[in-house]
Amino acid sequence: EADIYQTPRYLVIGTGKKITLECSQTMGHDKMYWYQQDPGMELHLIHYSYGVNSTEKGDLSSESTVSRIRTEHFPLTLESARPSHTSQYLCASSAAYEQYFGPGTRLTVT
Amino acid sequence: QKEVEQDPGPLSVPEGAIVSLNCTYSNSAFQYFMWYRQYSRKGPELLMYTYSSGNKEDGRFTAQVDKSSKYISLFIRDSQPSDSATYLCAMRDYNAGNNRKLIWGLGTSLAVNP
Repeated sequence: EADIYQTPRYLVIGTGKKITLECSQTMGHDKMYWYQQDPGMELHLIHYSYGVNSTEKGDLSSESTVSRIRTEHFPLTLESARPSHTSQYLCASSAAYEQYFGPGTRLTVT
Repeated sequence: QKEVEQDPGPLSVPEGAIVSLNCTYSNSAFQYFMWYRQYSRKGPELLMYTYSSGNKEDGRFTAQVDKSSKYISLFIRDSQPSDSATYLCAMRDYNAGNNRKLIWGLGTSLAVNP
């Protein structure tokens, strides 16, 4: 079944640690996105990619980085986690205009 | 002023009610309109997708676009407690070329009470 996956679903980590949030999709979509969303708040686009080796920063400035080496894989990395990074991170993909979302990763930095 | 305005609610209705959720927008070039449903601590789920003006129906859900008024609506008939969620509108500028970024509303929180 075509889908979009995110791991881990929940992560609690200490300040200063390096973390990578994984996102994979089996829908063959060329476009992928990372959003950040705090509880009850709006979605903020932080990174997007229109294909392999293509990445762009989104509308919200983020200290995270992304890579797109394979079509189906779009990981997000934080080199040194801080409490201000505590949030929900949502990955999405699209072929046309409508985007399809993964279940999200809830990150807490202590 | 935000490009897309959406009343955050919360909206509380009894089970079986007809629900009307709305977004207004300022960019007349928007042509693609989407409604998403998001349950607490989950990713948004695409409900309806419409192009340009008109109505689209899918089961208990109807999406309506009025481009002259720059206004879109989502109607939910016979609302159920399982419809309790946040509903987000999203739209895209036809003239944006290969840009696939969506412009999002804040979301409206809906509670359907048994």
